[in-house]
Amino acid sequence: SQELEQSPQSLIVQEGKNLTINCTSSKTLYGLYWYKQKYGEGLIFLMMLQKGGEEKSHEKITAKLDEKKQQSSLHITASQPSHAGIYLCGADLSGNTGKLIFGQGTTLQVKP
Amino acid sequence: DTAVSQTPKYLVTQMGNDKSIKCEQNLGHDTMYWYKQDSKKFLKIMFSYNNKELIINETVPNRFSPKSPDKAHLNLHINSLELGDSAVYFCASSQTGTSGFNEQFFGPGTRLTVL
Repeated sequence: SQELEQSPQSLIVQEGKNLTINCTSSKTLYGLYWYKQKYGEGLIFLMMLQKGGEEKSHEKITAKLDEKKQQSSLHITASQPSHAGIYLCGADLSGNTGKLIFGQGTTLQVKP
Repeated sequence: DTAVSQTPKYLVTQMGNDKSIKCEQNLGHDTMYWYKQDSKKFLKIMFSYNNKELIINETVPNRFSPKSPDKAHLNLHINSLELGDSAVYFCASSQTGTSGFNEQFFGPGTRLTVL
């Protein structure tokens, strides 16, 4: 089984709808990173969370890390076609070593 | 103004050949990484160098040899290429701070196809 589980694996939403992607681990997340990848391109850094209960927002995307630092969620409000892509969560499970383990990704499609 | 660049973007080669992928970052970061993304989009770390020293070396066949001539460059050489090496290889960099490692910035990837 994966050390970092993302759900759902894929998501199709109508433009304007809200959505949430989850990232869960059985281990402590020393650093939790959200990235977005468009087909054929590299990863674009979205947000980094380190403290339990931390929440960050950028435009219409909000990411949270739970108090226990074992689960993070990424919430998109009023989705747009530009939000489409693969969302990856990455985490340092080894205690601030720089070694990131990634989830399997969530593919998001936004229908106009 | 490319932050992390990789060359080539595409690489198609025959089984058994030796090939190299180059990576350069102009962010002034002290740590660089190589990742492999397989056909299922699963991204896995291979190597990491901090100030030209190897600090992460995952279970990777010794046909893969990273080389860091300076802090801004991390190259990946692959000997005797196999079909299973076909994947997208990403380079990344980050800067260690007072609280440890910070976010990693990724290059555009090199799509390697072994025939």
